Amino acid sequence: QKEVEQNSGPLSVPEGAIASLNCTYSDRGSQSFFWYRQYSGKSPELIMFIYSNGDKEDGRFTAQLNKASQYVSLLIRDSQPSDSATYLCAVNRDDYKLSFGAGTTVTVRA
Amino acid sequence: NAGVTQTPKFRILKIGQSMTLQCTQDMNHNYMYWYRQDPGMGLKLIYYSVGAGITDKGEVPNGYNVSRSTTEDFPLRLELAAPSQTSVYFCATRGGTYEQYFGPGTRLTVT
Repeated sequence: QKEVEQNSGPLSVPEGAIASLNCTYSDRGSQSFFWYRQYSGKSPELIMFIYSNGDKEDGRFTAQLNKASQYVSLLIRDSQPSDSATYLCAVNRDDYKLSFGAGTTVTVRA
Repeated sequence: NAGVTQTPKFRILKIGQSMTLQCTQDMNHNYMYWYRQDPGMGLKLIYYSVGAGITDKGEVPNGYNVSRSTTEDFPLRLELAAPSQTSVYFCATRGGTYEQYFGPGTRLTVT
């Protein structure tokens, strides 16, 4: 079992719709969870982090964490063409390291 | 404040050649990391450092070496380059919490 698994995608959504990205992780001891956005040919950029169960909202982005189910998700509301990118889920592996999922590619159709 | 810088941006190596990928940060972060990213794959950790003079292996260290003589610099050395090392290499730093910040990357091709 991979440490961090994401929907393989690609995920295509119309402009203005909600994009929903899912991530599961294997280590019950993980405490910190991150979403990175990566445009084609660019480096990953941190967009959200969440440490506690529940929802965390930042602008059009909402991260949701359920530690009992070992599940973290990212919702992108009112999706824009500029949201077209690959989204990487990351989970802390220990005090020093993160484990990354393979990413979900999102395409927003105008 | 440049954050994390990496040089070169692109490089083509012949099999068996060696090179050093440079990474410099101006955020005064103790933790630094080297990752590789292959097409359609996630980030794989090569080496990391928790401070000057301290380095440790990640998931895929074979064929690479690192050193950390200063807080700012964390070079990655490739010895005897192989086609399997064709990848995009990212350097990252981390401050007091877990989130990591990435440099722009180096795209390496070994032929």
